Amino acid sequence: DGGITQSPKYLFRKEGQNVTLSCEQNLNHDAMYWYRQDPGQGLRLIYYSQIVNDFQKGDIAEGYSVSREKKESFPLTVTSAQKNPTAFYLCASSIDRGSYEQYFGPGTRLTVT
Amino acid sequence: ELKVEQNPLFLSMQEGKNYTIYCNYSTTSDRLYWYRQDPGKSLESLFVLLSNGAVKQEGRLMASLDTKARLSTLHITAAVHDLSATYFCAVVTTSGTYKYIFGTGTRLKVLA
Repeated sequence: DGGITQSPKYLFRKEGQNVTLSCEQNLNHDAMYWYRQDPGQGLRLIYYSQIVNDFQKGDIAEGYSVSREKKESFPLTVTSAQKNPTAFYLCASSIDRGSYEQYFGPGTRLTVT
Repeated sequence: ELKVEQNPLFLSMQEGKNYTIYCNYSTTSDRLYWYRQDPGKSLESLFVLLSNGAVKQEGRLMASLDTKARLSTLHITAAVHDLSATYFCAVVTTSGTYKYIFGTGTRLKVLA
């Protein structure tokens, strides 16, 4: 079955620690995205990648970093510089960066205390 | 500033009733997406609207797009409890580089 997987589903960290969220897709999509969702809010774009070894900042990139070494994988690191990292993180992919529909993974809920 | 606004933000309705959710956007676009999100879950694609006048229907939900008015509607017919969720519209801008912008979301609660 084709799809997007994110792991872990729940993640707990102490303040000041970096943490990496995994996102893998087997849809052969070129473009991948990371979004953040706070309770009762919409989605905000953190980073996106149109192609391997290339990525661009979204609207709220500060305190986050990404890599795209393989087409299938787009991990997100939440660094200690992110002032309020507790949120629900969603990874998505689309055929390319154009106007194609985005497909979403199941999400990772990160709690930092 | 590019904006995608939905209204209402919250909607509580009785089973069996009809209602419409509106999605207004401020940029040029010829395609719009509707998603459903259950509490604590990811987004599920509902409809893809690719041109002016497009209408799609699935069960008790019907979505339409008017690109001239920059408006999409999601109409609910004879609501049932299972439709309780948050609904998002998302617009892809076609001016300059592509940008995918999500609406504010409409939290729907259908009361039995």
